[in-house]
Amino acid sequence: QSALTQPPSVSGSPGQSVTISCTGTSSDVGSYNHVSWYQQPPGTAPKVMIYEVNIRPSGVPDRFSGSKSGNTASLTISGLQAEDEADYYCSSYTTSRTWVFGGGTKLTVV
Amino acid sequence: QITLKESGPTLVKPTQTLTLTCTFSGFSLSTTGVTVGWIRQPPGKALEWLGFILWGGDTRYSPSLKSSLTITRDTSKNQVILTMTNMDPVDTATYYCARNYNWNFDYWGQGTLVTVSS
Repeated sequence: QSALTQPPSVSGSPGQSVTISCTGTSSDVGSYNHVSWYQQPPGTAPKVMIYEVNIRPSGVPDRFSGSKSGNTASLTISGLQAEDEADYYCSSYTTSRTWVFGGGTKLTVV
Repeated sequence: QITLKESGPTLVKPTQTLTLTCTFSGFSLSTTGVTVGWIRQPPGKALEWLGFILWGGDTRYSPSLKSSLTITRDTSKNQVILTMTNMDPVDTATYYCARNYNWNFDYWGQGTLVTVSS
């Protein structure tokens, strides 16, 4: 299984919106709604921000939202804040009953 | 309160076998739908899913690493053990254990850096 494809980096100014894409195949993203997104500031463990495509865990700001179309999932962060600067990873369940992560996207708030 | 914590050697030699233990609390691995998995991250690189053990004891592994991985559990100690054979310098990484419930990795350990070097 190959890693899901994410852009290496995205950037935005405070208050703006950014969208991070996550492209898989019909064997993973395209087959299930079991897509989740993780935020990882430097030196820390990942934290789930979105699961099942568009569900926010308790405590995650509603500025974070998720969607999916076909083999591509997306994470949108609106009203960017400096504290959002981190690496973001998507993950998907696969038809092989395994999990796969994306290559990660570095978000810079300029 | 749910916690997970990885423990094991910080340095292993090439060709050696790595054994890491994930000790968890606040949940039961016998609960339907709960899995505990291992994910690693080489320095400066992306997360890579290695495998997990399901509530019933079944295991699943990354196809690319299946031949070198074994994941077991000790339910009496609330532990999940990762064994990885024939370690190579490319296996240098931070190794995380994480609970997966409701189709997401909702709780993670702090991670443990394992360096493979002679």
